[in-house]
Amino acid sequence: QKEVEQDPGPLSVPEGAIVSLNCTYSNSAFQYFMWYRQYSRKGPELLMYTYSSGNKEDGRFTAQVDKSSKYISLFIRDSQPSDSATYLCAMSAGSGGYNKLIFGAGTRLAVHP
Amino acid sequence: NAGVTQTPKFRILKIGQSMTLQCAQDMNHNYMYWYRQDPGMGLKLIYYSVGAGITDKGEVPNGYNVSRSTTEDFPLRLELAAPSQTSVYFCASSIRDRDYNEQFFGPGTRLTVL
Repeated sequence: QKEVEQDPGPLSVPEGAIVSLNCTYSNSAFQYFMWYRQYSRKGPELLMYTYSSGNKEDGRFTAQVDKSSKYISLFIRDSQPSDSATYLCAMSAGSGGYNKLIFGAGTRLAVHP
Repeated sequence: NAGVTQTPKFRILKIGQSMTLQCAQDMNHNYMYWYRQDPGMGLKLIYYSVGAGITDKGEVPNGYNVSRSTTEDFPLRLELAAPSQTSVYFCASSIRDRDYNEQFFGPGTRLTVL
């Protein structure tokens, strides 16, 4: 079993739709949960991070973590064609020093006008 | 700041050839990483470094070597290239002492081994 599972998609939605992207994980030591966005032929860049359980909102983006279910989500409201990218979840145990990041496979999202 | 830079952008190698992928960062980050990204497989850590002179293996180190003589540079060496090394390679860096380990990525090098 992989430490982090993520459906690779692709996911195709019309402009304005609400998008839900998800990851599950098996390591209960994970404390930091991140979403990276990767545009085609570019490197990933950090979109949001959350510590432990709960929600975090940033504009049209909301990250949710449910540690009891080992399940994290990223919601995109009023999706735009510019949101078309691959979204990778990533997790680490934290606690200072070097913290290995474990990445999901990434979900490819296409938002069409 | 240029951030993380990688050269070359693209390369085609023949089986058995060798090459060095260059990576540099100008953010004075202690930690640097090399990943490979294969379709549908996410990012796999090849090697990482926590500072100049210190390197360690990641998840998939076979067939690769690294060195870190300065804080800024972290080259990745491929010896005896094989078709299984066809991939997109990303270099990344991060600051020390930040629990959530935000990594800053370069634009990648697309390598094909024929």
